[in-house]
Amino acid sequence: GQNIDQPTEMTATEGAIVQINCTYQTSGFNGLFWYQQHAGEAPTFLSYNVLDGLEEKGRFSSFLSRSKGYSYLLLKELQMKDSASYLCAAMDSNYQLIWGAGTKLIIKP
Amino acid sequence: SAVISQKPSRDICQRGTSLTIQCQVDSQVTMMFWYRQQPGQSLTLIATANQGSEATYESGFVIDKFPISRPNLTFSTLTVSNMSPEDSSIYLCSVQIRENSPLHFGNGTRLTVT
Repeated sequence: GQNIDQPTEMTATEGAIVQINCTYQTSGFNGLFWYQQHAGEAPTFLSYNVLDGLEEKGRFSSFLSRSKGYSYLLLKELQMKDSASYLCAAMDSNYQLIWGAGTKLIIKP
Repeated sequence: SAVISQKPSRDICQRGTSLTIQCQVDSQVTMMFWYRQQPGQSLTLIATANQGSEATYESGFVIDKFPISRPNLTFSTLTVSNMSPEDSSIYLCSVQIRENSPLHFGNGTRLTVT
């Protein structure tokens, strides 16, 4: 079957770095997406990886290893506004998105 | 990316009534989807809205309960029919410009059924 695993909740300190991991099993693979969702709001697109390696976008970076079925989202210089849920989603061979349950990130001062 | 307007943003409805949610995109998009998100949970795909034909529903969702229209490449509606309190949720319209591009979401409709 198809499956996405990510931690339910993580806590980090303002100014620090946090890494949110995601493992996936899909029928075929057409990329891995990360979304940010603040409470009461719609998800917003953060990153897309389809090739192995690291993609950097400002304070946020995303890594993919296709052979390991593994991705992570790295957030640097954490700010209070980064408190949100982070959703990992893998696209299968039919271009359908398989969603993880999301990781709630709590930032403490 | 596309600009997505979804309305209403929220509504409180009585049991047994129906609500139609509209999703308007500012440009033609390949795919349109309807998702549901229960409080504290991730996204559940209800159906893919197909232009000019019947929507493709996921397991557990049926056309009689969630009729969907998509008359063109920029507009879709989702109706939640014969509502019960269990239908209280956030309903999200999402679009995909091409097959392997990111999904972009409307702001959602927060539905409360009393």
